[in-house]
Amino acid sequence: DTAVSQTPKYLVTQMGNDKSIKCEQNLGHDTMYWYKQDSKKFLKIMFSYNNKELIINETVPNRFSPKSPDKAHLNLHINSLELGDSAVYFCASSQALGQGANEQFFGPGTRLTVL
Amino acid sequence: AQRVTQPEKLLSVFKGAPVELKCNYSYSGSPELFWYVQYSRQRLQLLLRHISRESIKGFTADLNKGETSFHLKKPFAQEEDSAMYYCALTSGGYQKVTFGTGTKLQVIP
Repeated sequence: DTAVSQTPKYLVTQMGNDKSIKCEQNLGHDTMYWYKQDSKKFLKIMFSYNNKELIINETVPNRFSPKSPDKAHLNLHINSLELGDSAVYFCASSQALGQGANEQFFGPGTRLTVL
Repeated sequence: AQRVTQPEKLLSVFKGAPVELKCNYSYSGSPELFWYVQYSRQRLQLLLRHISRESIKGFTADLNKGETSFHLKKPFAQEEDSAMYYCALTSGGYQKVTFGTGTKLQVIP
């Protein structure tokens, strides 16, 4: 009954590899997000999708490509991984409208380590 | 552009002491402000929002539009309050969200 789930929880990989992180929400929300939390705990929004459409793209290298097959899923694909990509990546979702709108529900995070 | 500032990276207080985590924002419209908390090895979760004007786990936060602040307060800190606290601002129809840099609260027993 997890609201926002992410897989994998941990991801260790070599520089130059391509990897994907998956996110699913069962809350019926219209909007999904990807955030990056670095080693200093800074939390920065990367992307936002509303009903499968890209809404926000915050100066993220084009090696990062989000994909939303349906409004319950938002996956993050990363090409040519670099050392600086090491971080915890959080997926989140929120309602578009109505009471409780704008509250973000976060996934458990995916800790990516690039060697 | 919207911005959220949390000036303190680390705030250490003794158990039972009052706590105030500072948050200032800049935004030209009417923002929605939130406090999120991240306990050790857990996901971020909403603590409270300014619209609700509620008290959660003894924490309160009042939106001061004149000072553009949304400070988080608790009269008596408890050890279980130790966590990372993020102030966040949401604006616009597409819910652009901006988080502050976070403040680590450390409650000393």
